[in-house]
Amino acid sequence: AQSVTQLGSHVSVSEGALVLLRCNYSSSVPPYLFWYVQYPNQGLQLLLKYTTGATLVKGINGFEAEFKKSETSFHLTKPSAHMSDAAEYFCAVSDQNNMLTFGGGTRLMVKP
Amino acid sequence: DTGVSQDPRHKITKRGQNVTFRCDPISEHNRLYWYRQTLGQGPEFLTYFQNEAQLEKSRLLSDRFSAERPKGSFSTLEIQRTEQGDSAMYLCASSSPGWAGRNTIYFGEGSWLTVV
Repeated sequence: AQSVTQLGSHVSVSEGALVLLRCNYSSSVPPYLFWYVQYPNQGLQLLLKYTTGATLVKGINGFEAEFKKSETSFHLTKPSAHMSDAAEYFCAVSDQNNMLTFGGGTRLMVKP
Repeated sequence: DTGVSQDPRHKITKRGQNVTFRCDPISEHNRLYWYRQTLGQGPEFLTYFQNEAQLEKSRLLSDRFSAERPKGSFSTLEIQRTEQGDSAMYLCASSSPGWAGRNTIYFGEGSWLTVV
């Protein structure tokens, strides 16, 4: 069985500050890992994904994430937060059948 | 490519009534998924189709829930005898065949259900 844990249901940063959203996973098979973003009253949009190869993955809107197998982590970062980054972020793990298992989400708030 | 489309976007219903949601996937995507998301939680998998075949169902999908994809294109999710606990956002998603690593799963904007 697969599972995802997102530490911190709410994260608040100042505009221009580093964004760090934490994700740890559990998987019995080599995982595919994803970060999705959800704006209010909208569906989920893919930010980035890790499949194989390079462990540092770059996504849209300046976000990136690093797969660390030894730590079973896939934390999401952005060097400088923008007001438009305020949203809910979900980490997810997939098996080879394309079933996504999501974490509980982290709400990112950006202060001016 | 207009993306995954869901209808209605919002539905308020009285307890005990039946509701049906429709999902139109991205054209030529043969995989279609339904997820449920309650407030403050991540989406939870409900069921999955490959073409018209329903290949997997979650334990969350009680007997009151039924999903169909009759021609392998659009899908419907029906909830019979709704209960207040059914209040949630129902998300539809679609993808091309193949592993998640190669084929992105695209989500619709969701259908909000409120049972009063």
